[in-house]
Amino acid sequence: EEQLVESGGGLVQPGGSLTLSCAASGFTFSSHWMTWVRQAPGKGLEWVASIKQDGSDKYYVDSVKGRFTISRDNAKNSLYLQMNSLRAEDTAVYYCAKVYLPYSSNQIFDYWGQGTLVTVSS
Amino acid sequence: EIVLSQSPATLSLSPGERATLSCRASQSVSSYLAWFQQKPGQAPRLLIYDASNRATGIPARFSGSGSGTDFILTISSLEPEDFAVYYCQQRSNWPPLTFGQGTRLEIK
Repeated sequence: EEQLVESGGGLVQPGGSLTLSCAASGFTFSSHWMTWVRQAPGKGLEWVASIKQDGSDKYYVDSVKGRFTISRDNAKNSLYLQMNSLRAEDTAVYYCAKVYLPYSSNQIFDYWGQGTLVTVSS
Repeated sequence: EIVLSQSPATLSLSPGERATLSCRASQSVSSYLAWFQQKPGQAPRLLIYDASNRATGIPARFSGSGSGTDFILTISSLEPEDFAVYYCQQRSNWPPLTFGQGTRLEIK
């Protein structure tokens, strides 16, 4: 059974940093593009970043470019999101999601974790 | 950036009724459109991908149609568990990948 478990969320002050992790199991992690999507409280979904199977290609939404870094460790079946210079508007539940079909960049998100809450506040 | 507009914002129907949800793109996305269902406190769930393909395990009462800029998600006969928020998402022209603002399907 496919499983994605996010961790690392919490309360952080504006300007601070946080690293989120997503532990994957039940599928061949190293064969799939992965992504982070966030949802501010009471709001809709916003794509944040995606990373290729081997980490060689990474893409970001403009609002996080230069502040967030997506990465992965295929040996540990783990996805990460390093978040720096955090702002109040980054407050959200952050979901990791798996892209459907191995070795495909199709960006169809067929399985999601339960999310981890990041709160940026003083 | 491709903007997706969903309508209506809220849809009030009764179990057993037919639901029709709309998603309109600011430019053509071909058939590269997906639909998700989200219930309170839960992660989104993929229902439909590439406009009309049901994801694994999705009941046949869910169907998708459309291409280009106009798309429809139809739920043929509403079950109590179908009342939720529904989002569309395009993967035609990215980055960025974009989502619609959502349609809330509530019990009348």
